[in-house]
Amino acid sequence: QVQLVQSGPEVKMPGASVRVSCKASGFTLTSYYVKWVRQAPGHGLEWMGWISPYSGDTYYAQKFQGRVTMTTDTSTSTASMELRSLRSDDAAVYYCATYGDDSFDIWGQGTAVTVSS
Amino acid sequence: QSALIQPASVSGSPGQSITISCAGTSSDVGSYNLVSWYQQHPGKAPKLIIYEGNKRPSGLSNRFSGSKSGSTASLTISGLQAEDEAHYYCCSYAGSNTRVFGGGTKLTV
Repeated sequence: QVQLVQSGPEVKMPGASVRVSCKASGFTLTSYYVKWVRQAPGHGLEWMGWISPYSGDTYYAQKFQGRVTMTTDTSTSTASMELRSLRSDDAAVYYCATYGDDSFDIWGQGTAVTVSS
Repeated sequence: QSALIQPASVSGSPGQSITISCAGTSSDVGSYNLVSWYQQHPGKAPKLIIYEGNKRPSGLSNRFSGSKSGSTASLTISGLQAEDEAHYYCCSYAGSNTRVFGGGTKLTV
């Protein structure tokens, strides 16, 4: 079954870092880029950037540059996204999804990140 | 990158047709035939319903169609059904390896 399975919910304090993982199954992760998108409660979708599991190339949206790192581990078919210096407005559901072939668009189930002291 | 502009809400009765607009600029929608549309039900991940402006993923109902005029893309849903009630988001390539989403439209059936 073609799917992306994400790690579980996280609760973090302001200023901390969070790492969300995304494991691919049913397809070869290196055949597609992986994009990360987040959605704050009651808000729309926000593009964060992408990574090429094949080359390691990344592109981060300007808003997140300096605070986000996207990586992949091809041996485990897992992509990860780390966001640092968390603020209250980083509370959101974070999604990974395939990218690069618009006809092949698989999304993970989402990972809820709560930022609270 | 500024978000694409969508109406906050639209509504229609079962069997009717509705159109959701997605206004961009010459830097995104107007320059590329790379607009996607997503359907999102509460608590669920977005689901692709249109890509490259007017193409449907395999197996998706032909009640969904996409189009573009200038810098505005549109999603039309015909023969509205109760299960179409959801949020809909447009997304366009915006150059420089980035994409931009619309603010989302809540469809009430």
